[in-house]
Amino acid sequence: QSVLTQPPSVSGAPGQRVTISCTGSSSNLGTGYDVHWYQQLPGTAPKLLIFGNSNRPSGVPDRFSGSKSGTSASLAITGLQAEDEADYYCQSYDGSLSGSIFGGGTKLTVL
Amino acid sequence: EVQLVESGGGLVQPGRSLRLSCAASGFTFDDYVMVWVRQVPGKGLEWVSRISWNSGIIDYADSVKGRFTISRDNAKNSLYLQMNSLRVEDMALYYCAKGRDSSGYDAFDIWGQGTMVTVSS
Repeated sequence: QSVLTQPPSVSGAPGQRVTISCTGSSSNLGTGYDVHWYQQLPGTAPKLLIFGNSNRPSGVPDRFSGSKSGTSASLAITGLQAEDEADYYCQSYDGSLSGSIFGGGTKLTVL
Repeated sequence: EVQLVESGGGLVQPGRSLRLSCAASGFTFDDYVMVWVRQVPGKGLEWVSRISWNSGIIDYADSVKGRFTISRDNAKNSLYLQMNSLRVEDMALYYCAKGRDSSGYDAFDIWGQGTMVTVSS
């Protein structure tokens, strides 16, 4: 049971928009700790997609966007492409645990 | 090129020890927090431990506290994870990753390719 809760799977057709939610609690997102998002393609290491709730590292397409409000955050992907099919993880810091935490991951399927 | 390369994984019996290493290059190693994250094949990511730039702040996940020790040698641009009293549930792919800053609260922007630890008799 992950401290951050994500849906196990989401899907969408090419060109569509999908969102992935990440729900935390008062000891992590609710305290004001930032949420970050990672994309993990099959057989590869995770790649930073969004940091500081809504910032994209250089090279990440603007089709990817993030937001956070209270104890929840979300990742939105617009203009879905086949290459977006991957696992997506949210991550933050938990003050009660004194460590970083990950969501359980969401598998995105492009139909 | 910014790079992290892990090594030291392998097959080990339950109760034995293993030491993982992570060699960093392409950035100023001693400016950043470093972490270990593990992943059971087919499962999600689990944060294991973090160490601040000067080793002054060290934290562990409850699942490894008292058994694992993180350390770093800034002169050698290297990160380590000493794993003692290994359990079957420690079997995973271990990644080292670089924090975006020195705070420990920020994202991990560079990841290694991982080294596999198999715990089995």
